[in-house]
Amino acid sequence: QVQLVQSGAEMKKPGASVKVSCKASGYTFTSCAMHWVRQAPGQSLEWMGWINAANGDTKYSQKFQGRVTITRDTSANTAYMELSSLTSEDTAVYYCARRSGYYGIDYWGQGTLVTVSS
Amino acid sequence: DIQMTQSPSSLSASVGDRVTITCRASQGIGNYLAWFQQKPGQAPKSLIFAASALQSGVPSRFSGSGSGTDFTLTISSLQPEDFATYYCQQYNNYPLITFGQGTRLDI
Repeated sequence: QVQLVQSGAEMKKPGASVKVSCKASGYTFTSCAMHWVRQAPGQSLEWMGWINAANGDTKYSQKFQGRVTITRDTSANTAYMELSSLTSEDTAVYYCARRSGYYGIDYWGQGTLVTVSS
Repeated sequence: DIQMTQSPSSLSASVGDRVTITCRASQGIGNYLAWFQQKPGQAPKSLIFAASALQSGVPSRFSGSGSGTDFTLTISSLQPEDFATYYCQQYNNYPLITFGQGTRLDI
C-alpha cells in the first residue's frame, strides 16, 4: 500500500533553516510528482511547491520563492523540503502529498510540525 | 493567481442530513477541481478529483459536480464520521495549485 512517512517534529530558532523529509513506499517513486503543502494553526492549506520525481523539475509558490528548496533522492525514494530564514510565521504543519497523474493528489504524509520560536 | 472561495465557512447539520458545500473559482478552471476532508489532528484525505470522480475507497454518499467557476460537494446522508473540515482545490494551471479557505461541518 502507498505510504508517505515524514520526518519528526522540529523546533527552530528564527533565522534558521529546516529540512523535512518524506519517504515514499508502495509505488514506483519516479512515476508520481510530490507536492508540499503547509497549514498554520487554525488556517487553511497553503501550497508551497512541487517536484517532478522523475526528472527533478521544480516549481515554487511565489510566496516562498527564494526561501524554499524541494529536492528528491530517487535511490532513497525520498523527497525533501527545505525552508530557510524561518520566522514565527512559519510555524505550521508541513505535508507532502503525492500527485498521481489523472487522479490528482491522492495520498498525503502524516505531517511534520515545525515550531519557530526564540 | 486563481482564488478559491468556499461557502459557507461553517455549517451545522445532523446525522442523516443532506449537505452541500459550494466552491467558486475566480476564473474558469474547467473541471480541474478536487475536494479533501480533514479531521482535527489528521492529514487531509482525498475525496474527489476532476470535479466529480471519487477517489478509491470513498463512500458513494459523497458526490461532486460543476465546471468552469462553480462547484459543489454534496454528502447525501451525513454519517457521524463525516463531521470534519472540507477543502476545495484547483489545479487548472498545474503544478500551481490553490485551496479554498475550508468549510467546517459540525454536528
